[in-house]
Amino acid sequence: SQTIHQWPATLVQPVGSPLSLECTVEGTSNPNLYWYRQAAGRGLQLLFYSVGIGQISSEVPQNLSASRPQDRQFILSSKKLLLSDSGFYLCAWSFDGQGISYGYTFGSGTRLTVV
Amino acid sequence: TQLLEQSPQFLSIQEGENLTVYCNSSSVFSSLQWYRQEPGEGPVLLVTVVTGGEVKKLKRLTFQFGDARKDSSLHITAAQPGDTGLYLCAGGNAGGTSYGKLTFGQGTILTVHP
Repeated sequence: SQTIHQWPATLVQPVGSPLSLECTVEGTSNPNLYWYRQAAGRGLQLLFYSVGIGQISSEVPQNLSASRPQDRQFILSSKKLLLSDSGFYLCAWSFDGQGISYGYTFGSGTRLTVV
Repeated sequence: TQLLEQSPQFLSIQEGENLTVYCNSSSVFSSLQWYRQEPGEGPVLLVTVVTGGEVKKLKRLTFQFGDARKDSSLHITAAQPGDTGLYLCAGGNAGGTSYGKLTFGQGTILTVHP
């Protein structure tokens, strides 16, 4: 069965410090991978998606970057955190049937607080 | 830009009551999904509907996709405290550049009191 691991669960970082959040998927190959941010427990905003190794697309201009060094590994990074980067970050993977999304499997999320 | 509007934003009911959550858009979607999320956890997929007019049932939950594939509803019968959580709808599109990306609604926070 497919599983997704995301860590750390919580993180408190000072403004200006670097960030690295990691997400790995097991039990599937060549998944589509996504990073979302959720503010105040409401809707999700897509930050980055990747359809293959080294292929990253950004949805919104921001202080963050993403990388996919291996097929089942997706990393969210920042060189210098801003207060506005605080939030709940979620990694997800999906399998598309002819381009239709049949559903995401999400990681358990990382609560980032920038102080 | 496609948008999904969910209503109501908040719902507080007593155990045993019925409720319906709506998800509406002016855009057509190829698929519509519903997720449930508990505090501090990632959303969990409840159902995916892909055909206009489709109705799916999951125990006490009934999901419907509108005929024009622009709207959806989630109906819960005889709500229980365990149904408490954030319910999110999400729409996706087919096509070579969609890459499985989803547009999420803002969510409905449901609280069921014993």
